Amino acid sequence: AAGVIQSPRHLIKEKRETATLKCYPIPRHDTVYWYQQGPGQDPQFLISFYEKMQSDKGSIPDRFSAQQFSDYHSELNMSSLELGDSALYFCASSFSGTGTMSKYFGPGTRLTVL
Amino acid sequence: DAKTTQPTSMDCAEGRAANLPCNHSTISGNEYVYWYRQIHSQGPQYIIHGLKNNETNEMASLIITEDRKSSTLILPHATLRDTAVYYCIAPNFGNEKLTFGTGTRLTIIP
Repeated sequence: AAGVIQSPRHLIKEKRETATLKCYPIPRHDTVYWYQQGPGQDPQFLISFYEKMQSDKGSIPDRFSAQQFSDYHSELNMSSLELGDSALYFCASSFSGTGTMSKYFGPGTRLTVL
Repeated sequence: DAKTTQPTSMDCAEGRAANLPCNHSTISGNEYVYWYRQIHSQGPQYIIHGLKNNETNEMASLIITEDRKSSTLILPHATLRDTAVYYCIAPNFGNEKLTFGTGTRLTIIP
């Protein structure tokens, strides 16, 4: 079965650079969630989108922005990168019609800021 | 979200049943209990969820107490690949996002 696709899988950037992470949800899924997981930490919710509209917002820095496109894929844009942004970034998707919170996570993008 | 409390870590022998407890004494009547796990550096994986009744799927069983204040995730025949951090989550009704707490680090011993 198709899973959530994230690209790139690994990304190395310098401080103050920008990065764009992409997420392709499972076909027919209309909701996308972004999570950040720092070293030794639990995943932290950043932001979510339902039908291309922002549906919830967590502890996402102002330097980060995200959007969901008409094909339901989503991009997380990160500017003025800091060393502390080094983390695993997970995208998850779900279909609102199921009425449950069963979410399916991608393999993650490992961002390293030097 | 309802506060959940889980043991920090547990060990289980390979081939035995792994029983992971979770306390959620403040859970409301319409809030589900969800279990996810995260194998090292992989994306979290949905396991099972329930409201009142016990649930079983191909991965695990979920036993919820009658008063709904606690639940137990059961992996019937643990394998080495079940070594992971297991999260019990009870999101507020209508809250779509998942909030991960500390979870239980389960280690399967050969």
